[in-house]
Amino acid sequence: RKEVEQDPGPFNVPEGATVAFNCTYSNSASQSFFWYRQDCRKEPKLLMSVYSSGNEDGRFTAQLNRASQYISLLIRDSKLSDSATYLCVVTQSGGSYIPTFGRGTSLIVHP
Amino acid sequence: DAMVIQNPRYQVTQFGKPVTLSCSQTLNHNVMYWYQQKSSQAPKLLFHYYDKDFNNEADTPDNFQSRRPNTSFCFLDIRSPGLGDAAMYLCATSMGQFYNEQFFGPGTRLTVL
Repeated sequence: RKEVEQDPGPFNVPEGATVAFNCTYSNSASQSFFWYRQDCRKEPKLLMSVYSSGNEDGRFTAQLNRASQYISLLIRDSKLSDSATYLCVVTQSGGSYIPTFGRGTSLIVHP
Repeated sequence: DAMVIQNPRYQVTQFGKPVTLSCSQTLNHNVMYWYQQKSSQAPKLLFHYYDKDFNNEADTPDNFQSRRPNTSFCFLDIRSPGLGDAAMYLCATSMGQFYNEQFFGPGTRLTVL
């Protein structure tokens, strides 16, 4: 079983749609959770951290479900510019600094 | 602006000809990482440094080596590139003992002929 799993998609949605991605992780000791955005042939960039209480940044909402070991990303009112790959990153605290990436979920927003 | 810089952005080499990729940062972060990313795959961690402490991932091939001569610079050496080593190589930094946000450089795209 992979440590961090994501549906690769692509998710193909019209402008204005709401779309949600999930990311499951296998290590219950995981402590830090992030969503990164990666445009085609570019480097990943932090979209948002995921906090236990959930957090929102404009049209983006991230949630953490520790019991079921997954995080989610909700994008409301999708824009063409949201088209990208969304990478889930999970890491452990303590002596290990190893962040583990999911393979990413591809989102295509069309007119 | 503080940033992570990678050189070269594109590298073409021949099968078996050594290459060195470089990464520099002005963020003064103590942790630096090297990732390999192939098309439609997750970035795969090759190495990371916490200050001068070097950590080699268990499945990183011996063909790959790294150096960090000081806080700002980090190098990735590929001793004998094979066709399977063609990929994007990403350098990243983060700060602190606990994992925080990673800042990525633009990457070096390696082609092996």
